Amino acid sequence: AQTVTQSQPEMSVQEAETVTLSCTYDTSENNYYLFWYKQPPSRQMILVIRQEAYKQQNATENRFSVNFQKAAKSFSLKISDSQLGDTAMYFCALAYSGAGSYQLTFGKGTKLSVIP
Amino acid sequence: KAGVTQTPRYLIKTRGQQVTLSCSPISGHRSVSWYQQTPGQGLQFLFEYFSETQRNKGNFPGRFSGRQFSNSRSEMNVSTLELGDSALYLCASSPGTGPGTEAFFGQGTRLTVV
Repeated sequence: AQTVTQSQPEMSVQEAETVTLSCTYDTSENNYYLFWYKQPPSRQMILVIRQEAYKQQNATENRFSVNFQKAAKSFSLKISDSQLGDTAMYFCALAYSGAGSYQLTFGKGTKLSVIP
Repeated sequence: KAGVTQTPRYLIKTRGQQVTLSCSPISGHRSVSWYQQTPGQGLQFLFEYFSETQRNKGNFPGRFSGRQFSNSRSEMNVSTLELGDSALYLCASSPGTGPGTEAFFGQGTRLTVV
């Protein structure tokens, strides 16, 4: 079974500052992908960033980057130059090829508030 | 390109009734999956359909069912509704070509059971 754990239910950050959201996971699979999804108050989940487990290089997307520590099964998200529009729930998720289908396992989420 | 469309956006039902939710995926996407989101349990996988076939099902009772049509549109049905079924139901579509592909989500259907 796959599990994803987000230990920070809520976080806040000042506008323009940097914040890091934590995620740990457990899987026995070798071929898997990790994702961070954002869910603003509008409820629509949006992909922020994805990481392939077999790639050592950490993924980056503009102000968003990850710190992927495969041995530690850790996958944290760093948001630089935080903006008010970053206020949302952030979900860490895992998908693996052995499931036989497309299926995401999500963490419980971190509610991020960006303070002006 | 139109996004994933879920209808209705809000629904209020009485215990014991049944409900059908609809999801229209992005054009060309063959995989549609459904998730239940509640404050207590978070996001839980319900099932996934690919080319009209259910490929996987989460740990939910048989009251939860779904189907996918030839145009990839999907419906999920919940029979004999219980108060605990109150949740946000999210549909996601993807090209279905592998676990690394992005899932595109709809805005969800908020179901309230009274």
